[in-house]
Amino acid sequence: DAKTTQPPSMDCAEGRAANLPCNHSTISGNEYVYWYRQIHSQGPQYIIHGLKNNETNEMASLIITEDRKSSTLILPHATLRDTAVYYCIVRGMDSSYKLIFGSGTRLLVRP
Amino acid sequence: GAVVSQHPSRVICKSGTSVKIECRSLDFQATTMFWYRQFPKQSLMLMATSNEGSKATYEQGVEKDKFLINHASLTLSTLTVTSAHPEDSSFYICSARKQGAGGTEAFFGQGTRLTVV
Repeated sequence: DAKTTQPPSMDCAEGRAANLPCNHSTISGNEYVYWYRQIHSQGPQYIIHGLKNNETNEMASLIITEDRKSSTLILPHATLRDTAVYYCIVRGMDSSYKLIFGSGTRLLVRP
Repeated sequence: GAVVSQHPSRVICKSGTSVKIECRSLDFQATTMFWYRQFPKQSLMLMATSNEGSKATYEQGVEKDKFLINHASLTLSTLTVTSAHPEDSSFYICSARKQGAGGTEAFFGQGTRLTVV
C-alpha cells in the first residue's frame, strides 16, 4: 500500500473549518484513500473514504486532487469534540483489507 | 454503522500470567478481524490478521507463540497475551471487517488497556 505524509499537528478555532492535508504521491490506480480519527484512549473511528471523486457525508468532506497524489479532509464546522488524531490511509483492495496506520495529524480545536 | 466490542476495557495482571482479550462484532459477521497494539504517543501497529476458522497471519516481528489469536466464530476473536511482562503493557485494539453494499469497512473496538505489574 502507498505511503502517506501528514503534518504532525494542526489547530483551528471552534466553529471554523478544519482542513487536514495528506500526501500520497505513490498511490496506484486501485487504491482508496481512507480517513479515520482517534480520540484519546479510544479506538479509531471511520470518517470517510474515496477513490477519485470528492465525497461528502454527515461528518466531513474529502477532496482528492485530479492526479490523486494528495487529498484534504474538511471538517466544515469544527467543535471541541473534533480534537483527535486524524489518520489518512491508502489501502488497496487485496484480499487482506489491512489498514496500516501512519503517524497522523494531531488536530487541536481551540475554544 | 457497526458495533465492535472489546472486553475487558482495562486489565492489570501480574508478570508471568496470561491475559485474554475478546473482540466481538455485535451486529454483523466478520470473517476477518485485526489486532493492533499502540504504545503511548505512538500510532497503531498492526500485529496480526485473524481469519475465522483458520490460523492467524502475524506481521513481521510479532511473536505468534506469545500473542495467541483464536477466531472460532464469525463474531468473536480472542487475543491471549501469554507470560505477560511489563514491556507488554500497551493499548490493544481490534477491528472487524464488514462487507456491505457500499463496500468493505473496518470498524474498531474501544480498546483494552493492559498493564503488567
